Amino acid sequence: AQKITQTQPGMFVQEKEAVTLDCTYDTSDPSYGLFWYKQPSSGEMIFLIYQGSYDQQNATEGRYSLNFQKARKSANLVISASQLGDSAMYFCAMREGGISNFGNEKLTFGTGTRLTIIP
Amino acid sequence: NAGVTQTPKFQVLKTGQSMTLQCAQDMNHNSMYWYRQDPGMGLRLIYYSASEGTTDKGEVPNGYNVSRLNKREFSLRLESAAPSQTSVYFCATVTGFGDPYFGQGTRLTVV
Repeated sequence: AQKITQTQPGMFVQEKEAVTLDCTYDTSDPSYGLFWYKQPSSGEMIFLIYQGSYDQQNATEGRYSLNFQKARKSANLVISASQLGDSAMYFCAMREGGISNFGNEKLTFGTGTRLTIIP
Repeated sequence: NAGVTQTPKFQVLKTGQSMTLQCAQDMNHNSMYWYRQDPGMGLRLIYYSASEGTTDKGEVPNGYNVSRLNKREFSLRLESAAPSQTSVYFCATVTGFGDPYFGQGTRLTVV
């Protein structure tokens, strides 16, 4: 079974509109972390936002917020007021287990969503 | 500047050739990782190193070897390159808080 599922291969959104990128995950570990990355055409992986499984509130970072629904095992990324520079691939990823800094921080990635912002 | 440095950025190999991808981090982190990225498949873990002197297989280790030379450096070796190893390779390290940092990537083409 897929551990991270991103069901939207591509999305087109009008500039200045909000956009939601879907991510569902599967784990039996009570301790896990969820990440979103942006990959522009230049290829680098840019960290956007993180949500821990025990965090009480949804994570926010500027125009990015994470709609974390633990019971549904979903961690959707919301981008408010989209900009042309938001056009990129977006990856959801999960780290299972707690943080130990001894090798168990490996990430499982989804297949990504290509977001295109239309002027 | 602190970060993760990968070399080379681009490489073209002929089938059967060998090469080593280099990765160095100056963040004093214990853990380091090698991922490959293929179209439509996201990033997949090849090998990782929890600390200096230790390495472990990830999801797709076949055809690769790694060396954790010291705390800073973690190299990935292709002994006999195959076209199926055409990919973009990312090295990463992780802070004690679990935040991953990625290198800029190496685009490898095997012809």
